[in-house]
Amino acid sequence: ETGVTQSPTHLIKTRGQQVTLRCSSQSGHNTVSWYQQALGQGPQFIFQYYREEENGRGNFPPRFSGLQFPNYSSELNVNALELDDSALYLCASSFLGEKLFFGSGTQLSVL
Amino acid sequence: AQKVTQAQTEISVVEKEDVTLDCVYETRDTTYYLFWYKQPPSGELVFLIRRNSFDEQNEISGRYSWNFQKSTSSFNFTITASQVVDSAVYFCALPISGNTPLVFGKGTRLSVIA
Repeated sequence: ETGVTQSPTHLIKTRGQQVTLRCSSQSGHNTVSWYQQALGQGPQFIFQYYREEENGRGNFPPRFSGLQFPNYSSELNVNALELDDSALYLCASSFLGEKLFFGSGTQLSVL
Repeated sequence: AQKVTQAQTEISVVEKEDVTLDCVYETRDTTYYLFWYKQPPSGELVFLIRRNSFDEQNEISGRYSWNFQKSTSSFNFTITASQVVDSAVYFCALPISGNTPLVFGKGTRLSVIA
């Protein structure tokens, strides 16, 4: 059984650029969610996808968008990057909303 | 609104000491789940426990134990005979609705010194 995998592990971008982060869900999981974790803070919910539809969203602007694919993998896209977007981005998968299994995250630095 | 408070930012203990991590929550729901996760330096959040608000019995799993008290809205976590491998950031969490997504506290960084 493979766990949740995220790519890339680290990424450096400049202000105004766009970025795509990727996540492969744990086998058998149909729900994926994304969290942003700023340094020294707890993870904050960005959005959740179930069966390729967004079914929950946190307090993040529309420049944060996502996709879930038929194989339940997912992408997080962030447009017009800002310095405050620098954070660890965590992907989590679950089956029908049961307990979350997290990946190791993508560390995004915006310069 | 759902809210989780972990007042202890950092705790440092010597190996084999017992340590308790505090968690206080606010929820609009009458039934709910509570979670604890561990985040080692690798960054991955590791699930430790999920408790249902119906069940207020304390739970023990090896060196870990949890004290849930609905009357005080607290869900504290105790590690007995701490080990260096327990060093990590520990998060308490509460679902926004149902089981997920989760609202996390700011975490408590535990350092266990040999």
